[in-house]
Amino acid sequence: LAKTTQPISMDSYEGQEVNITCSHNNIATNDYITWYQQFPSQGPRFIIQGYKTKVTNEVASLFIPADRKSSTLSLPRVSLSDTAVYYCLVGAQNQAGTALIFGKGTTLSVSS
Amino acid sequence: DVKVTQSSRYLVKRTGEKVFLECVQDMDHENMFWYRQDPGLGLRLIYFSYDVKMKEKGDIPEGYSVSREKKERFSLILESASTNQTSMYLCASSLGLGLNSYEQYFGPGTRLTVT
Repeated sequence: LAKTTQPISMDSYEGQEVNITCSHNNIATNDYITWYQQFPSQGPRFIIQGYKTKVTNEVASLFIPADRKSSTLSLPRVSLSDTAVYYCLVGAQNQAGTALIFGKGTTLSVSS
Repeated sequence: DVKVTQSSRYLVKRTGEKVFLECVQDMDHENMFWYRQDPGLGLRLIYFSYDVKMKEKGDIPEGYSVSREKKERFSLILESASTNQTSMYLCASSLGLGLNSYEQYFGPGTRLTVT
């Protein structure tokens, strides 16, 4: 499974756009990129996934350049409730299903 | 809504005890996972299962075993608990194949303390 590297922490203010970039230099052809969010005392929650270009849902956008060696999670107009740990994962399905490897994540702190 | 439940939120056990952590999901998911989470180390995969009676080792299987006798239930077993197994244990499930298999649903976690 491809290894990912993302910043340990980021700070922001309410109303700002936050971009968290993840590098995955050895991503394989079949790998998808997935992002999760985790609040304190809860399990992680799926946010978004993509393969290439741009994906958008009601929570976030995911930008993936053509070489797919990195990806950027974009959170528009963050609020205090977006304070959480964000995990970037890459992985592919195989005969044994889809196992994702979580790293240490990026701790996002949003202040007023 | 998918629901993943874990048998206990908090558990205190003594060194050397055999410990069972139970996880149940109600969405007929093929895949089930056990992770542990420790400060500064993130989530680490212990074991996962893609079908009944099937299991695969994750990154840190040493000291643990698992059992999946029924599709909805995945048990994590600490054969002889040690203090370095004090941690938060998280169970998750996902569909077997397709893009939806990347979306794992997590339980609330069990905070295990081994004294």
